[in-house]
Amino acid sequence: AIVLNQSPSSIVASQGEKVTITCRASSSISSNYLHWYQQKPGAFPKLVIYSTSYRASGIPSRFSGSGSGTSYSFTISRVEAEDVATYYCQQGSSNPLTFGSGTKLEIK
Amino acid sequence: EVQILETGGGLVKPGGSLRLSCATSGFNFNDYFMNWVRQAPGKGLEWVAQIRNKNYNYATYYAESLEGRVTISRDDSKSSVYLQVSSLRAEDTAIYYCTRGRGRFDYWGQGVMVTVSS
Repeated sequence: AIVLNQSPSSIVASQGEKVTITCRASSSISSNYLHWYQQKPGAFPKLVIYSTSYRASGIPSRFSGSGSGTSYSFTISRVEAEDVATYYCQQGSSNPLTFGSGTKLEIK
Repeated sequence: EVQILETGGGLVKPGGSLRLSCATSGFNFNDYFMNWVRQAPGKGLEWVAQIRNKNYNYATYYAESLEGRVTISRDDSKSSVYLQVSSLRAEDTAIYYCTRGRGRFDYWGQGVMVTVSS
């Protein structure tokens, strides 16, 4: 199974600050198969970025993603209060499909 | 509008079994792979199972941690997918989400809670 090591496990940021989350895969995956989800407290997860860098429908431009091979990142250019959530990376390259362990974003 | 609704959760005794249902609408169900993903209380997301569509002979795949105890199935005539879980353990306590997608999960249901406790 492809293991996704996601870091950091938590972030405390100020509004307007830039935050970056990294996701490292235990083996190389095509950038087509690396995705990011946002899960707000008490809600189901929501697809935010798919295929490394494409924003899902309705997702603001402050969210972006990049990467290739085994190293991927997710960035919020200017954090807003509504971005408080846990973010997960996920690989769809091979079964079993796997998720990173999550990064909890809090606002100062 | 895509809608996904899970039902069938509840309190189950250890060793028991449960069948979760997922009813969908708003898209051509026959075209899509469907999945179950679960989340234990306060924990991260864990993919559980996938069933492919008719074009892929309804092939099924399972997480290793559950293989042998879970069966995913679908009824295209009802646009529904199911998850049968047996020999339930305390560690199976989780919210179970039904999701659409082949390699990514673009739509999710609200989830259904399964609690395994005596």
